[in-house]
Amino acid sequence: AQRVTQPEKLLSVFKGAPVELKCNYSYSGSPELFWYVQYSRQRLQLLLRHISRESIKGFTADLNKGETSFHLKKPFAQEEDSAMYYCALRKGSSGGGADGLTFGKGTHLIIQP
Amino acid sequence: DAGVIQSPRHEVTEMGQEVTLRCKPISGHDYLFWYRQTMMRGLELLIYFNNNVPIDDSGMPEDRFSAKMPNASFSTLKIQPSEPRDSAVYFCASSSPGSPGANVLTFGAGSRLTVL
Repeated sequence: AQRVTQPEKLLSVFKGAPVELKCNYSYSGSPELFWYVQYSRQRLQLLLRHISRESIKGFTADLNKGETSFHLKKPFAQEEDSAMYYCALRKGSSGGGADGLTFGKGTHLIIQP
Repeated sequence: DAGVIQSPRHEVTEMGQEVTLRCKPISGHDYLFWYRQTMMRGLELLIYFNNNVPIDDSGMPEDRFSAKMPNASFSTLKIQPSEPRDSAVYFCASSSPGSPGANVLTFGAGSRLTVL
């Protein structure tokens, strides 16, 4: 079975410092990886997905199949980045569809002023 | 579109009572998911539907849990009888495999359940 591991429950960095939220996965096939974010009092929402290969709000994430990782990075943290971040995996399927995502337990990111 | 709509937002009940959580997915989304969030276990997939048909219910913890989707715009998650360990936030999400945003889950605000 697939598994997503986020080793840090809490990560606190100062404003302007670089941020890296770690995500490792285990899955024998070719997965699709996502980062979801939940800001205070807001709904869980998509931040980015690896197939898009884009930067959202200054965040990027590269899928490293060799290390089975999908770490989320931002060079300069901002206070508004404080939130819960969840890494998620969807089993790859050539037939399309929308199998349920497997989520990590989340990392609470706190950006200190 | 108002997004995924869940009700109630908060529910406090006593052990042994029946609990029904409701979800209205985004119109046109043909996948619907129920997740449970706890501090200990994080976000767990309970069950998901495609075109109103349950596809995978392997995450449903016990027979006390049941879910239905009688039509494309409504789903329920029922717990009977409820127990204190069922206390959690229950999220509903919907998605569509079509572009744009293929396979991206849109979440509801969640239903916070407390079983005393």
